[in-house]
Amino acid sequence: GDSVTQMEGPVTLSEEAFLTINCTYTATGYPSLFWYVQYPGEGLQLLLKATKADDKGSNKGFEATYRKETTSFHLEKGSVQVSDSAVYFCALGATSGTYKYIFGTGTRLKVLA
Amino acid sequence: EPEVTQTPSHQVTQMGQEVILRCVPISNHLYFYWYRQILGQKVEFLVSFYNNEISEKSEIFDDQFSVERPDGSNFTLKIRSTKLEDSAMYFCASSERRGGGTEAFFGQGTRLTVV
Repeated sequence: GDSVTQMEGPVTLSEEAFLTINCTYTATGYPSLFWYVQYPGEGLQLLLKATKADDKGSNKGFEATYRKETTSFHLEKGSVQVSDSAVYFCALGATSGTYKYIFGTGTRLKVLA
Repeated sequence: EPEVTQTPSHQVTQMGQEVILRCVPISNHLYFYWYRQILGQKVEFLVSFYNNEISEKSEIFDDQFSVERPDGSNFTLKIRSTKLEDSAMYFCASSERRGGGTEAFFGQGTRLTVV
């Protein structure tokens, strides 16, 4: 079935470091791809999304490109801040035949000042 | 900005008791979901609901679970006889459409603790 695989965390970086969180997926059909972020004690918030191959989603300095050939949607940010400390979830949107969003295991990011 | 609201934020219940978790989805949304997240683990799909019926459910969503949209605004998850392993954060979500890049909007969650 459809699935999402994310790199294991936690990821610990110094402020202003470059961030990459890897995400690959397996899906039938052509799903939309999402990154959600969960700050401590809060729910899931949409960070960015891409709906088709080669689309780039971006928000708050984060970017991810939908790569069909490598079935990947890696999250990147050029310069992280302490306030970016959170858990990041890669997710597949519903494709034909399913209603659900499928989430990866989440990657915890800790940014040190 | 419209948001999904969940109540209560935290519920403690004794094993074997029934609990009802409540959610108010965004008003013009048509698809509703429940997910759960056991502490430190992945976000797991439980059930989706559309057009007043369950459209899809996972293996987790057994006969102990039920969902209802009793009055056109609330969306509830009932656990009939709670077990210790039901302790988790439960998230309600809603979306306007299905597919096509439509994102799901999530509530802040209800932390359920079964003792």
